[in-house]
Amino acid sequence: EPEVTQTPSHQVTQMGQEVILRCVPISNHLYFYWYRQILGQKVEFLVSFYNNEISEKSEIFDDQFSVERPDGSNFTLKIRSTKLEDSAMYFCASSIDVTEQFFGPGTRLTVL
Amino acid sequence: KNEVEQSPQNLTAQEGEFITINCSYSVGISALHWLQQHPGGGIVSLFMLSSGKKKHGRLIATINIQEKHSSLHITASHPRDSAVYICAVLPKGTASKLTFGTGTRLQVTL
Repeated sequence: EPEVTQTPSHQVTQMGQEVILRCVPISNHLYFYWYRQILGQKVEFLVSFYNNEISEKSEIFDDQFSVERPDGSNFTLKIRSTKLEDSAMYFCASSIDVTEQFFGPGTRLTVL
Repeated sequence: KNEVEQSPQNLTAQEGEFITINCSYSVGISALHWLQQHPGGGIVSLFMLSSGKKKHGRLIATINIQEKHSSLHITASHPRDSAVYICAVLPKGTASKLTFGTGTRLQVTL
């Protein structure tokens, strides 16, 4: 069964460093999403992406964040200069339309 | 104040029990999602509702748009149902900006 994959499963970085979180959505899906979940807190929407551009973004998704679909299969989230408060689980999701979303297993980001 | 409130926050049930998890929201919505988050962290979409009722196996989800309320029912609960169940709403005027509840942690014991 097709699934969304994410790499790495765990990323440790120093404050101020850039990180790129990678996702491979399900191949025929058209809509892509990033969410984050700070430990012990609720899931939060970051950004949605369709037709090679950002559809919507939340207040969290500031200039430090960017997304890209560089090669038609990967979907990446870049954080330019990480802060301690960026430590969280980051989930990628994809969907064929605006109904059911399929989530990846997540990348745990730890900023030291 | 959270736009999406779930109750209870924690629930322990014995195998076989009928379980109800509630979700109330304060904004106008175009759809509501129920999601399951496994102990390892993975998230699975269970239902998307905009009206009425949906059933999948032992899971039933209902929504009352006028009352801004949805329920998720699990019949004949099993220990493998143990997970966090999350309600998320799609506010009107947005296409994808889901707003999530804090989740209900369900533990089903033998």
